[in-house]
Amino acid sequence: QQQVKQSPQSLIVQKGGISIINCAYENTAFDYFPWYQQFPGKGPALLIAIRPDVSEKKEGRFTISFNKSAKQFSLHIMDSQPGDSATYFCAARKSGGYQKVTFGTGTKLQVIP
Amino acid sequence: DAGVIQSPRHEVTEMGQEVTLRCKPISGHDYLFWYRQTMMRGLELLIYFNNNVPIDDSGMPEDRFSAKMPNASFSTLKIQPSEPRDSAVYFCASSSSLRDQYFGPGTRLLVL
Repeated sequence: QQQVKQSPQSLIVQKGGISIINCAYENTAFDYFPWYQQFPGKGPALLIAIRPDVSEKKEGRFTISFNKSAKQFSLHIMDSQPGDSATYFCAARKSGGYQKVTFGTGTKLQVIP
Repeated sequence: DAGVIQSPRHEVTEMGQEVTLRCKPISGHDYLFWYRQTMMRGLELLIYFNNNVPIDDSGMPEDRFSAKMPNASFSTLKIQPSEPRDSAVYFCASSSSLRDQYFGPGTRLLVL
């Protein structure tokens, strides 16, 4: 019940296209959903996050869509650029003062020119 | 702010040797996390501390692994004795209550 399932495992998108990464969770106690971006040789870095009281959050070219009833959320990268090539992790966390984050398995995105 | 600092960045050792990884969290953060990342298992939480006290060590693989946080600005993860299957990238992360985690650059460990 603690799992966060992420797909696809890898993704190749042409420059200018839309990259879409999907995640699903089972634990309804999760109430905070961050996405992390990791470049080779670096640690994961927070990209964007959403709480389940909203269905969408947009920051620049990055948008999270959230479907509470389906327990699914996704990351959309609009106008994908070669510099977006990285591994993306979705994650989920429960509130209540506990900081333990459950991570998805990661999606390796490659944006080709 | 310098961010989370980890040392060493790379470590190559032989099977059976003791390995100590070090972490300095961001000043003012009261949570510290140790993760391990491999291709096969992804990003795994090993242990985390709150106010220097271990809260959850259920992810520590076995007794060969131990972690300490003697003060708010320093933590260690020790593997003794090390084995080839411990080869991975080990990340330290820190956060303040109810806020996001910030990861260090990681220590790439290779056990021969």
